[in-house]
Amino acid sequence: EVQLMESGGGLVQPGGSLRLSCAVSGFTFSSYALSWVRHSPKKGLEWVSRITDSSSSTYYADSVKGRFTISRDSSKNTLYLQMNSLRVEDTAVYYCAKESVAVMGYFDYWGQGTLVTVSS
Amino acid sequence: DIVMTQSPDSLAVSLGERATINCKSSQTVLYSSSKKNYLAWYQHKPGQPPKLLMYWASTRESGVPDRFSGSGSGTDFTLTISSLQAEDVAVYYCQQYYTTLRTFGQGTKVEIK
Repeated sequence: EVQLMESGGGLVQPGGSLRLSCAVSGFTFSSYALSWVRHSPKKGLEWVSRITDSSSSTYYADSVKGRFTISRDSSKNTLYLQMNSLRVEDTAVYYCAKESVAVMGYFDYWGQGTLVTVSS
Repeated sequence: DIVMTQSPDSLAVSLGERATINCKSSQTVLYSSSKKNYLAWYQHKPGQPPKLLMYWASTRESGVPDRFSGSGSGTDFTLTISSLQAEDVAVYYCQQYYTTLRTFGQGTKVEIK
């Protein structure tokens, strides 16, 4: 059974940092691209970042480029999102999502999400 | 980036009636070599993760009721719920996976009239 489990969310002040983790199981971790997607009531679903199966390429939405870093550790079957210089508008539930294939896939499995609140 | 625009933003439909959601992309998501549309639909309910409904624009995900159907090609797509059930109340999103920078539509909220 495919499972993705996010952790690391919480309350942080503007300008602060947070690292999210996503532990995965039930599939060959190194064979699929993974993404972070966030949801807020104001913006709906927003794709944040993506990393290819081999970690050779990473991609970011303009709204987070230069502030967020995505990475993955195959030895731990874990996906990460390092979030720096956080802004109020980054407040959202963050989901990790598995792509259906190694390249150009849709999101076939999602985690339950972790809430990030940026507030003073 | 490809911009995805859904219409309407919300709709209220009577139980058993048809609900139709439209999605337009700012450029084609039809890959010429494979002749596939890189377009997916998701259902999102409060407190739950999004659920994949359709991919390749018209292929229903396993376990999704057949009252859900997808159509369209190129830049214009439609998700249809043929007979709305109470459990279908949710926000629906289209999403393109044609480019490395994925994008979602703004969402369409479906309610019971």
